[in-house]
Amino acid sequence: DIQMTQSPASLSASLGETVTIECRASEDIYNGLAWYQQKPGKSPQLLIYNANSLHTGVPSRFSGSGSGTQYSLKINSLQSEDVASYFCQQYYNYPTFGGGTKLELK
Amino acid sequence: EVQLVESGEGLVQPGSSMKLSCVASGFTFSNYGMNWIRQAPKKGLEWIALIYYDSSSKYYADSVKGRFTISRDNSKNTLYLEMNSLRSEDTAMYYCAKSLLNYPGVMDAWGQGASVTVSS
Repeated sequence: DIQMTQSPASLSASLGETVTIECRASEDIYNGLAWYQQKPGKSPQLLIYNANSLHTGVPSRFSGSGSGTQYSLKINSLQSEDVASYFCQQYYNYPTFGGGTKLELK
Repeated sequence: EVQLVESGEGLVQPGSSMKLSCVASGFTFSNYGMNWIRQAPKKGLEWIALIYYDSSSKYYADSVKGRFTISRDNSKNTLYLEMNSLRSEDTAMYYCAKSLLNYPGVMDAWGQGASVTVSS
């Protein structure tokens, strides 16, 4: 299995701030990387796939980048509705998820 | 609007069986792959099974292979997960999720989840 390591595990940021979450794969996943947002008590929602393709309806303040084994999710101008947990997921092989990053407001 | 509604949740004893269903609406079910993903309490997400749009291929995580079976009935717009030999570590919220077109491993719509508790 491909292991996905996410950092940080938790993050506190202020409104309007830019936030970056990192994800490292145990081997090259050739941009087969998605990001999901899960708000408390809700099911996950797709944000980004193909490492940097924004899913339909997702605000443009979200962006993804990376290649090989290293990927990141950036949230520009943090909004209150962005408080959530974020998960990376590789789909180059059988899907596996990162451990998640819990984002809170400072 | 895409809707996925899981059912069949409950409390079962270790070693027993259980079947979850997921009824889909708002899209042409027979054109898309479907997945099951679970999330143990206060834990992360674990993909457990994928079935192609026409049931031609099925894939499982090692943790459930040989115990769980994914299936679908395109005439009923319904996805199933049959779970046998249940263990305490199978306790989780189970989500069905639709695959993004041409990306079987990307889940672009999720149900609200069905809670499965395995305990004596």
